[in-house]
Parts: sequence; C-alpha cells; structure tokens
Amino acid sequence: NAGVTQTPKFRVLKTGQSMTLLCAQDMNHEYMYWYRQDPGMGLRLIHYSVGEGTTAKGEVPDGYNVSRLKKQNFLLGLESAAPSQTSVYFCASSRMRAATEAFFGQGTRLTVV
Amino acid sequence: GENVEQHPSTLSVQEGDSAVIKCTYSDSASNYFPWYKQELGKGPQLIIDIRSNVGEKKDQRIAVTLNKTAKHFSLHITETQPEDSAVYFCAASPGTASKLTFGTGTRLQVTL
Repeated sequence: NAGVTQTPKFRVLKTGQSMTLLCAQDMNHEYMYWYRQDPGMGLRLIHYSVGEGTTAKGEVPDGYNVSRLKKQNFLLGLESAAPSQTSVYFCASSRMRAATEAFFGQGTRLTVV
Repeated sequence: GENVEQHPSTLSVQEGDSAVIKCTYSDSASNYFPWYKQELGKGPQLIIDIRSNVGEKKDQRIAVTLNKTAKHFSLHITETQPEDSAVYFCAASPGTASKLTFGTGTRLQVTL
C-alpha cells in the first residue's frame, strides 16, 4: 500500500516557468489537500478538494491552480513561478469531511531561481 | 481565523528524559487537536490526537493534555529515545478537515 505519492521529489525552476506537481493516493480518500511548508511558518493550506471534480481555496491560494479530474489524483499547477514560491510542497488526503487523520506524501522540494 | 502558537521552537533533551511541547489556540470553536511528527526528508505523520470532550489521552510513551478554558494543549514524551528526534507540529480544527491550522513546529533533539 503506497499511501500518498508525490511526483517529482525535487525540482528547480526559473522565474516565469510553469510546472505541475502530481499527487496520487490509493486509499480511496474523498478529501485531498496541498500544503506548503516554509521555515518558521509551519504548514499552510494552498488548495483542497472535497471530491472528484471539486476544488476550493485554502489560506494561501494566489499563484497556484489545482485540478481533481480523478478521485485518486490531485494536481497543483504553477503557471508563472516566482522566487516566493520556493518551498516544500506536501500533498495530503483524508477519509472524511470531519477532522480526522490526514496522510501526507513525502514532499516536493521546489526552488525557483 | 484560527491562530496556533507553538513553543519552544527547538528542544534538546538527554535520552531517558521527558520532553514537553506546548501550543495555544485562539478560536474557541476548535475541537480537534492532532500532533504530527515529521522525520527528516519525510512528510508529517499523525502520532496522537485529542478531541475537546477529553482532557487527556495517552499512547505508550506519549500523552496529550487539553485545557479548553485556557485554550492550550501540550504533548508529553516520556523516556525519550534517539528515534524521537524529529520536528513536531501541533494543529487545531473546528471539526472540519479543511480548517486545520498548524503550529510552527518544534525541533526535538534527543542526545545520548
């Protein structure tokens, strides 16, 4: 059982370039999330999805877009990367709407130069 | 919105000693308080959680206490071991998974 898998694990982008981060979960979870982790700031929610075909904004959504075309996949896109988006990105999933255990992927370290 | 403060930011203890990490929250509607452990190069993993109808919860060497009146909750690790070295995050939620607010993390180092 792989759990939550993120692709890629590392990436370096030039300012203005675009990229897509892929998250896949095999636990049949309804809820999926994208967080960013910055030193001294904990984990901040970017976007989330409550089911296939749905997305919603989190705490820091600007500069990112997401899509959930299939229940098991949640994609995070950066259309025009900026140095301020240098961060470690984590995808997570959870079983239900009520607050319960969230399962995290191993993270993607993104550097924008 | 919710604001979660976590202290200390770093904590060093000797193997066998106890470690305590404290968090405060601002939203009285919060009723779910999980703690996550993040090892180097990995994603956070839930180690224990507590809901507002409970004051204390234990799981082997770890325990969490909650004081709803004072709006603070704490993680206690007893008989610390080198494998407890990691970053620990507290979090609070009013009951909805999408409304989970994390603290800024505590780096725990257990020395021999």
